[in-house]
Amino acid sequence: GQQLNQSPQSMFIQEGEDVSMNCTSSSIFNTWLWYKQDPGEGPVLLIALYKAGELTSNGRLTAQFGITRKDSFLNISASIPSDVGIYFCAGQLASKLTFGTGTRLQVTL
Amino acid sequence: NAGVTQTPKFQVLKTGQSMTLQCAQDMNHEYMSWYRQDPGMGLRLIHYSVGAGITDQGEVPNGYNVSRSTTEDFPLRLLSAAPSQTSVYFCASSLTGDSYEQYFGPGTRLTVT
Repeated sequence: GQQLNQSPQSMFIQEGEDVSMNCTSSSIFNTWLWYKQDPGEGPVLLIALYKAGELTSNGRLTAQFGITRKDSFLNISASIPSDVGIYFCAGQLASKLTFGTGTRLQVTL
Repeated sequence: NAGVTQTPKFQVLKTGQSMTLQCAQDMNHEYMSWYRQDPGMGLRLIHYSVGAGITDQGEVPNGYNVSRSTTEDFPLRLLSAAPSQTSVYFCASSLTGDSYEQYFGPGTRLTVT
C-alpha cells in the first residue's frame, strides 16, 4: 500500500530553534493535513490545506500545500519543549487518508 | 462530549483467539475508520464506514471484520488473531467522509503471542 515519504525521520533541536519537515508522494491529493501525536495518545490535527499553493499558519506553525499537489511542508518557529512528539503528514483523496511515516521531534533545553 | 472512546486500552491475546475492539463516538459523525500503527510505518487504514450500514476496506483489511449497525459504534473484530496483528489500533471519526477533521480515539495496544 502507498505511504507518504516524510523527512526527516527524527530531529534533535534546541529550544528556540526553527524546525522544518516535509512530505512527498507519487500521487496527487485533494487535501494535505498535518497531525501531532503525543506518547500514548491519538493524533491531533494541527493544520489542514485545501488548495495547491496554499500557505496556512496556526500560531507558530506554518504549512504549505505544494503546487503539484504531491508534497507539503510544515515549519515550526521558535520551538518549545511541548513541541516534542511525532508529526505526521496525511494526504486525503475521496474518503481515505494516507499517512506519512512520521517525524519524531525532540527538543533540548 | 466524550469524543471518540476506545476499549480496551490494552489487550493480550494468544494466537488463534478472537476479540472485538470497541469504538464509539458521541458527535453524530457519519464517517468512522480504523487504523493500525506499527513502528516506522505510520498509520494504515484498515476499514472505514461512511454511514450506518455501509463499510468498505482500507489499505490493510485482511484478518479484520467490521460492521456499522448504528451511527455511534464501529467495532473491529479479529476472528483469529495472529502475531502480525500486534499493533496499536486507532479509531477515528469525522462529520462526513469529505471532512478533513478526523478525531482520533486514545488507541488500543494489542499484543498477540
